[in-house]
Amino acid sequence: QQQVKQSPQSLIVQKGGISIINCAYENTAFDYFPWYQQFPGKGPALLIAIRPDVSEKKEGRFTISFNKSAKQFSLHIMDSQPGDSATYFCAAINSGAGSYQLTFGKGTKLSVIP
Amino acid sequence: DGGITQSPKYLFRKEGQNVTLSCEQNLNHDAMYWYRQDPGQGLRLIYYSQIVNDFQKGDIAEGYSVSREKKESFPLTVTSAQKNPTAFYLCASSTDLYGYTFGSGTRLTVV
Repeated sequence: QQQVKQSPQSLIVQKGGISIINCAYENTAFDYFPWYQQFPGKGPALLIAIRPDVSEKKEGRFTISFNKSAKQFSLHIMDSQPGDSATYFCAAINSGAGSYQLTFGKGTKLSVIP
Repeated sequence: DGGITQSPKYLFRKEGQNVTLSCEQNLNHDAMYWYRQDPGQGLRLIYYSQIVNDFQKGDIAEGYSVSREKKESFPLTVTSAQKNPTAFYLCASSTDLYGYTFGSGTRLTVV
């Protein structure tokens, strides 16, 4: 059972455009939702994160929108740049489970073309 | 600089061999994790440890073993029982909900 579903699998955006990646979760016990950015051959790096008591969080060009009732959250990358080309993973944590295991979506490969 | 060091970066395994992947952290984090990454599959949890001398199985622990004798170290052994070990292996550590740090990974290939 895939607990975090991510779409699309791949995304091509023109430079300056908006990239949108969507995730949906099933486990209502999840209470922390980070997004990770991964470049080829590297480990994931935390990009931005949100808790379910907040509907939106913005950091620079990156915004998370969160819809608790729909159990969905999304990442918006404004003014997308070629340097943003990477694989993006949404994730979720149930902090009440006694450990901080990350449950990941399957990833979205973003290509920003000049 | 504080961080996580994984070695080697590339590893080749013959059929039937056990291999050990190294993970060392100097962040003074209590918890450490091993994830496996396959193309199009995201990251899946193999094992995790919240404290020295204690560890728990994750979602795909079969064919793997770990030890946690020191806070700084969490080596992963891929045994011959793991039938499809070719993958990218990532080690991570955390001190709390917000302080997750990943290493740069080890790419294991069966030859």
